[in-house]
Amino acid sequence: GQQLNQSPQSMFIQEGEDVSMNCTSSSIFNTWLWYKQDPGEGPVLLIALYKAGELTSNGRLTAQFGITRKDSFLNISASIPSDVGIYFCAGQLNFGNEKLTFGTGTRLTIIP
Amino acid sequence: KAGVTQTPRYLIKTRGQQVTLSCSPISGHRSVSWYQQTPGQGLQFLFEYFSETQRNKGNFPGRFSGRQFSNSRSEMNVSTLELGDSALYLCASSKGQVPGELFFGEGSRLTVL
Repeated sequence: GQQLNQSPQSMFIQEGEDVSMNCTSSSIFNTWLWYKQDPGEGPVLLIALYKAGELTSNGRLTAQFGITRKDSFLNISASIPSDVGIYFCAGQLNFGNEKLTFGTGTRLTIIP
Repeated sequence: KAGVTQTPRYLIKTRGQQVTLSCSPISGHRSVSWYQQTPGQGLQFLFEYFSETQRNKGNFPGRFSGRQFSNSRSEMNVSTLELGDSALYLCASSKGQVPGELFFGEGSRLTVL
C-alpha cells in the first residue's frame, strides 16, 4: 500500500534538545496530520494542518503544511521524557473520506 | 468519556482459521475505520464504515471484510488466515467534523502460527 516517506526513522536525543522530522509524498494531500503512538496504545492526534503553507503550534510542537501540499514537518522544542514514542505523519485527500495514508514513523528515544 | 474499545486485545490463531475483531466507537461517532499495523508496512488502511455502509476500502484481499451495525459498533473478519496477517489491528472512530481527526483504540494484536 501507499506510504509517506518519513525521516528520520529513529532519533536518539538528550532531554532538552529540539527535534525535527519531516514527511514527503509523491502526491498531494489536502490535510496533513501528525500523530504520536505510545507503547501499547493507539496513535493520538497531535496537530492537524489544512492549508498549504500553514504553520501551526500546539505547545512545544510546531508543524507546517508544505506549500506544494506534498510535504510537512514537525518540530518539538525542549524535549522531555514523555515525548518518547513513535511519531507518524498522515495525509488525507478529501474531508469526509476518513482514509488516512500514514508515514513510516519516526521513533524518538531520549537518552538519560 | 469512554474511548474506542477493541476486543479481544490479544489472540493467537493458526493458519487457515478465521478471526473476528470487534470495535466499539466513541459514543456519537458514526465513522469507524480499520488499520493494520506491522513493523514492515506501518499503518495500512483497511476500510471505513459510516452509517452501516462501507465508504472506502484499502488494497487488501477479499479475505478481509468488515461491517458496521446500527449502533455504530463494527467488526472485521479475516478468513483463511496467513502468517503474514500477524499484526496489530487498530480501529478508529470519528465524528466526521474535524478532517483527519481519528480516535484510535488500543488495538487487537493477532498472531498467526
